Amino acid sequence: GAGVSQTPSNKVTEKGKYVELRCDPISGHTALYWYRQSLGQGPEFLIYFQGTGAADDSGLPNDRFFAVRPEGSVSTLKIQRTERGDSAVYLCASTSAATDTQYFGPGTRLTVL
Amino acid sequence: AQSVAQPEDQVNVAEGNPLTVKCTYSVSGNPYLFWYVQYPNRGLQFLLKYITGDNLVKGSYGFEAEFNKSQTSFHLKKPSALVSDSALYFCAVRDDTDSWGKLQFGAGTQVVVTP
Repeated sequence: GAGVSQTPSNKVTEKGKYVELRCDPISGHTALYWYRQSLGQGPEFLIYFQGTGAADDSGLPNDRFFAVRPEGSVSTLKIQRTERGDSAVYLCASTSAATDTQYFGPGTRLTVL
Repeated sequence: AQSVAQPEDQVNVAEGNPLTVKCTYSVSGNPYLFWYVQYPNRGLQFLLKYITGDNLVKGSYGFEAEFNKSQTSFHLKKPSALVSDSALYFCAVRDDTDSWGKLQFGAGTQVVVTP
């Protein structure tokens, strides 16, 4: 079956601009996670959703970052007033009650100039 | 709090030789442990996991890992490495007290398999 998909695969923006990153989880997966992977590091947790609600947003670095999942499927990560330090690969993962495993998408590489 | 340590930034091995990638962890409850592999410009690909049961876990592509509770380790192994195993490997842990919780990843170990 189809895996987790993320769009765009690459996003280049200028400092101060607003960006949206999209994640489409595996069909039927109720939990969705966002992670950020900076160069040379392991993924770091940002936020996770159980259904439509954000169950844990403790990893969001500041209030410029926000994520939504209005219908319990697709999620959008929104970053306002982007900074050069936001440059990273943003990974999305999903899972269900039937498995303990988070399955990851290919990621969106964000570059802030 | 949970944490993962991968003490080696890079592991070099000749094709056909055994491969070991080390991982130690710290959690407050019981650990759920995972190994993922990442190829260049790709997302994370699940290899194997330990939840409960046998300490030796077998996964994809001939990889296995051994859970050692007393040493808080979960080392990844492959008896005979292939050049195609060259990639970045991540160990991850979460606490069993948080059913849907976030994964804590190590910094990753680059595996280089030479022909």
